[in-house]
Amino acid sequence: KAGVTQTPRYLIKTRGQQVTLSCSPISGHRSVSWYQQTPGQGLQFLFEYFSETQRNKGNFPGRFSGRQFSNSRSEMNVSTLELGDSALYLCASRQDSGANVLTFGAGSRLTVL
Amino acid sequence: AQSVTQPDIHITVSEGASLELRCNYSYGATPYLFWYVQSPGQGLQLLLKYFSGDTLVQGIKGFEAEFKRSQSSFNLRKPSVHWSDAAEYFCAVGRINDYKLSFGAGTTVTVRA
Repeated sequence: KAGVTQTPRYLIKTRGQQVTLSCSPISGHRSVSWYQQTPGQGLQFLFEYFSETQRNKGNFPGRFSGRQFSNSRSEMNVSTLELGDSALYLCASRQDSGANVLTFGAGSRLTVL
Repeated sequence: AQSVTQPDIHITVSEGASLELRCNYSYGATPYLFWYVQSPGQGLQLLLKYFSGDTLVQGIKGFEAEFKRSQSSFNLRKPSVHWSDAAEYFCAVGRINDYKLSFGAGTTVTVRA
């Protein structure tokens, strides 16, 4: 069974640009969550999607958005990039039945210059 | 709100020695507790989880953790570390029907020969 796949793995953007990150969950997993990881703030929850609906959202500005498609793949978008958006963005999926066990992808490393 | 504290930022241990990583949580009801490990440039891998029942849980790679409700702790242990255990370890707490995890700041483990 393939794991959680995130693309791209690395990307560099400049301030003011926007970026879209993609996440393909484990087959059969309908829930996808996104986390931001930075040295200063650690791991912070961004949002969670299930069946194309956002179920939960963290404390991030509106520049951060996401969506989920009918095949459970998810994308997150950050508009008007700021230097502080440089981070590792981690996607995680779970079955949404039984235990709340998240399986994480390898992440997308975003650098904003 | 739930929160997690990992008091030790960095631990150095000799190969073959025992390891214990501390985790304290703040949550009003019975939490779901997790330990994840992250190697450089990688995502998070689940080591073990506690939902209910036996307070001593076994995980992968020879790790175990003990849930102590009276101390609000969920410490991770390994009897004999291997050089490959050098990584960053994260404790996380979640709750029933909540779809986000709150992570501690992490503990970096260095293994010396």
